[in-house]
Order: sequence, then C-alpha cells, then structure tokens
Amino acid sequence: DAGITQSPRHKVTETGTPVTLRCHQTENHRYMYWYRQDPGHGLRLIHYSYGVKDTDKGEVSDGYSVSRSKTEDFLLTLESATSSQTSVYFCAISPWGRETQYFGPGTRLLVL
Amino acid sequence: AQTVTQSQPEMSVQEAETVTLSCTYDTSESDYYLFWYKQPPSRQMILVIRQEAYKQQNATENRFSVNFQKAAKSFSLKISDSQLGDAAMYFCAYTVDVIQGAQKLVFGQGTRLTINP
Repeated sequence: DAGITQSPRHKVTETGTPVTLRCHQTENHRYMYWYRQDPGHGLRLIHYSYGVKDTDKGEVSDGYSVSRSKTEDFLLTLESATSSQTSVYFCAISPWGRETQYFGPGTRLLVL
Repeated sequence: AQTVTQSQPEMSVQEAETVTLSCTYDTSESDYYLFWYKQPPSRQMILVIRQEAYKQQNATENRFSVNFQKAAKSFSLKISDSQLGDAAMYFCAYTVDVIQGAQKLVFGQGTRLTINP
C-alpha cells in the first residue's frame, strides 16, 4: 500500500471556524489531490498539486484553499467552515500524471 | 460533459456466483484510463482494476475482469466466484487531463454490492 496518512481522521467543528486537513506521503510522489465524497455524488476533485508550491483548482474548490510547501505534505484549508462542507475528504497521490491514484484513509468532517 | 453513470445503485449476488456491475461514461478524449475502485465499510478506497483506453485487450486481475467497449463508452466489471469479502461500494472512474501532467478522476455514484452467503 502507498504510504499515505491523513490527519485528523475525524473532526467536529462549528460553522465559521477555520479547519486544516493534512495529507502526508512517504512515497515522494509528484502529484497530490484532494477529493470530497458526498452521498449521491461519488468523489469530486477539490484541488490538486503538480509539484511543490504548484497547485490548481478542481471542480468544487469554492471555500477551500491548499498549500504544498514540501513534497510530502499537502494541506487543505477551510477558511470558514460551513455545514455544506460536512463530508469525507480523501487525499490521493500518484508518481506521474498517467498513473493510478492511490488514496489515503479519509477524514470525516462534521460542521455543526 | 464529464460524467460517469452507474445505473445499478445496489446489487446482490450469492456467494461463489458471478456478478457484473455496469458503467458508462462520457468523454471527448481518445486517450484516458478507466478504473474500478472498491470501498468497503472501512471507507478505504482500494484499486480493483485499471484499463488503458488505447488497449483493446480487456484487463483482468484474478477474479476481476472488465468488458471495455470504447465506442460505446462502456466499462463493466465482472466478479467471478464472489466472496464475502467482495461486499463493498464499487466506483467506476476515468481520467481527465488537467495541467502539467496531472489528471483528475471523474467518478460515478457507486454501486453497493451485497454478497449473500
């Protein structure tokens, strides 16, 4: 299994508070992705990174920002959490673009 | 439009029998990859099988095989000799090129597979 960890694994927070989720990899892979999973929608891409300090938006990026200051860490920040951001968040990595994405264990976030 | 349709929200099969999960997708690209991922109750996303669109030969991984029909944009998963451990949500997905070599995955809504002992 690819060496991917996500922290925290579960979080409960209140509307309006900032939240940061961390994805950490030990594979030295170039590409990292953040997806969210909601009932009836499968997984949808939030943001992705194609190198250190190189990031771009996915299809559901509103309300989220990301940062990648080193190869192994990709952070997802909810600047001001809303109830609509209650979801399960998955990080994925791949060594190069045309390669399988391997997923972390997920973070369950509840925004009250 | 970038969409994946899994028309069977739920399916069930008897242990040791064969089941086929259907998937259709919509893409304008000619070169892409297709995947089936499995998500058991642990929530972990596990790769089941991968198909490269430029390859006509259908991918096979042990008891799992696909029927890839590129012109019809169809990508079904066949599970032979079903086992209790196969019970999970199954997601079909394909890749879309973005920038700098990155690819996003477009997922279907999933099919929940139950295995009856």
